[in-house]
Amino acid sequence: DQQVKQNSPSLSVQEGRISILNCDYTNSMFDYFLWYKKYPAEGPTFLISISSIKDKNEDGRFTVFLNKSAKHLSLHIVPSQPGDSAVYFCAAKDNQGGKLIFGQGTELSVKP
Amino acid sequence: GAGVSQSPSNKVTEKGKDVELRCDPISGHTALYWYRQSLGQGLEFLIYFQGNSAPDKSGLPSDRFSAERTGGSVSTLTIQRTQQEDSAVYLCASSFARGTYEQYFGPGTRLTVT
Repeated sequence: DQQVKQNSPSLSVQEGRISILNCDYTNSMFDYFLWYKKYPAEGPTFLISISSIKDKNEDGRFTVFLNKSAKHLSLHIVPSQPGDSAVYFCAAKDNQGGKLIFGQGTELSVKP
Repeated sequence: GAGVSQSPSNKVTEKGKDVELRCDPISGHTALYWYRQSLGQGLEFLIYFQGNSAPDKSGLPSDRFSAERTGGSVSTLTIQRTQQEDSAVYLCASSFARGTYEQYFGPGTRLTVT
């Protein structure tokens, strides 16, 4: 039972354009959502997060949008840079504890 | 400051052997998590320690898997009688207990069971 889903395994974007990574979830008890970025042979690094009481959080080139009614969140990167090329995981935390439930990841490739 | 460290970085073992994977969390972080990532998969939660509370073991896939956290710091994940399906990257993360839910990950241990 996949509670957090990233339906696009890969995404290719031109440098300078917008990258939009999507994530869907099924559990209405999730109260916090996070995006992580992962390079090969490294652990994931935290990127940006959003509480379920908000619908948008922005940090520089990165913006996360949350649509609770649709149980959908997205990460926007603008403008995209070649260094953004990595695997992006969305993750969700429920209100019962600290563990995170991760999606399968989307591999972003930003081409110069 | 030092981040989360894990050892070994790579481990190759024969089917049926036991392995121990070690995690040193960030100093001051009271919560510690183990996840694994199998080839082509997302991160799968295994176990979570928070202070002196009983650990959340709900993600451990079988009773061959166990973990300890000594003195509220270093943690060891033990896999007994390893199977080929245990091959994965095992990731450890730590965080503060309150306020922020950001987890900081180590580089992982790549386990290969032959």
